[in-house]
Amino acid sequence: QQQVKQSPQSLIVQKGGISIINCAYENTAFDYFPWYQQFPGKGPALLIAIRPDVSEKKEGRFTISFNKSAKQFSLHIMDSQPGDSATYFCAASRMNTGFQKLVFGTGTRLLVSP
Amino acid sequence: NAGVTQTPKFQVLKTGQSMTLQCAQDMNHEYMSWYRQDPGMGLRLIHYSVGAGITDQGEVPNGYNVSRSTTEDFPLRLLSAAPSQTSVYFCASRTQGRAEAFFGQGTRLTVV
Repeated sequence: QQQVKQSPQSLIVQKGGISIINCAYENTAFDYFPWYQQFPGKGPALLIAIRPDVSEKKEGRFTISFNKSAKQFSLHIMDSQPGDSATYFCAASRMNTGFQKLVFGTGTRLLVSP
Repeated sequence: NAGVTQTPKFQVLKTGQSMTLQCAQDMNHEYMSWYRQDPGMGLRLIHYSVGAGITDQGEVPNGYNVSRSTTEDFPLRLLSAAPSQTSVYFCASRTQGRAEAFFGQGTRLTVV
């Protein structure tokens, strides 16, 4: 049972375009939603995260939109650059368990063409 | 500051062999965990530890053992490797009260 569903599996975007990756979760006890970025041969690294008390969080070109009622959240990459080409994972966790268990989505491989 | 260091980076095992994947962190983080990454399945939690001497099972613990004798080290043991354990393994650490997990660079394991 996939607790966090992620789509699309892969995405090709032209340089300067907007990349959008979507995730949906089932467990309403989740209250921490990070996005991790992974380059080939490297481990995932935290990109941006949101908690359900806000509907949007922006850091530079990266924005998380959060819809609590729909149990969905998405990552938007504005002005996508070739250096953004990587695999992106959404995840979910619970603050009251000390964030001990991160549940990951299946990943989206993003390719930004020059 | 090395962060989270995993060794080896690559390993080929024969079915039935045993081995230990090493993970060390120099950030004095209380929490450490092991994930496996498989195509189309994301990262799945194998085992985790909230401190020296304390470990617990994650989502896919079968076939793996862990121990945590020091804050710095969290080795993952495969007692009898199976082809289904072919995967990329990541170790992560985190400090208490902070949500961000720091990952190592991974160990690519192939069981033939």
